[in-house]
Amino acid sequence: QVQLQESGPGLVKPSETLSLTCTVSGGSVSAYYWSWIRQPPGRGLEWIGYVYYTGGANYNPSLKSRVTLSIDTSKNQFSLKMSSVTAADTAVYYCARVKASPIGETFDYWGQGTLVTVSS
Amino acid sequence: QSVLTQPPSVSGAPGQRVTIPCTGSSSNIGAGYDVQWYQQLPGTAPQLLIYDNTNRPSGVPDRFSGSKSDTSASLAITGLQAEDEADYYCQSYDGRLSGSVFGTGTKVTVL
Repeated sequence: QVQLQESGPGLVKPSETLSLTCTVSGGSVSAYYWSWIRQPPGRGLEWIGYVYYTGGANYNPSLKSRVTLSIDTSKNQFSLKMSSVTAADTAVYYCARVKASPIGETFDYWGQGTLVTVSS
Repeated sequence: QSVLTQPPSVSGAPGQRVTIPCTGSSSNIGAGYDVQWYQQLPGTAPQLLIYDNTNRPSGVPDRFSGSKSDTSASLAITGLQAEDEADYYCQSYDGRLSGSVFGTGTKVTVL
């Protein structure tokens, strides 16, 4: 059974960089795409982007200028960095596995999520 | 902002049938991209409920079913149970945005 676990600081100051890591167990990151999704308190889900084991990535156009996704196959982990954060970036951040096909993307396994608060 | 529209809430009595519509456009559902549905129980992460428009992952009761037509999709829950109280989100790929998009989410309340 594939399991994902997010880790990283729960509090980030405005204008600084948010950094999260997702550790995958029960399967290898050297297959599939791996994604980050966030959910502001009391609101809906927003796709941030995904990364492939080759290092190639695709980003939500609305966040692309501030987001970098990377992957470390030796540690079976992938990571999110989001720069110049504001209070609007306060959210629960989820990592998820993506099953991609020519006609769609399915997020079939999710981490439990980690709350990141942006505040001074 | 979400490009897939869902009603904020639906409700039904135990045992009843409820449906949740998901309205998209010609760049996502209408372009032929598959639709997925996720169930988010209070305080937990979303879980895959329906994939590729109509398929249920192992372990999902057959009370849940999905359909798709033109630029819309729909999730039906038959024999509504108290444990079905949750938020439900549709999701698809958008060719114009070149990435995944989620619906606005629907809260299901069992009366």
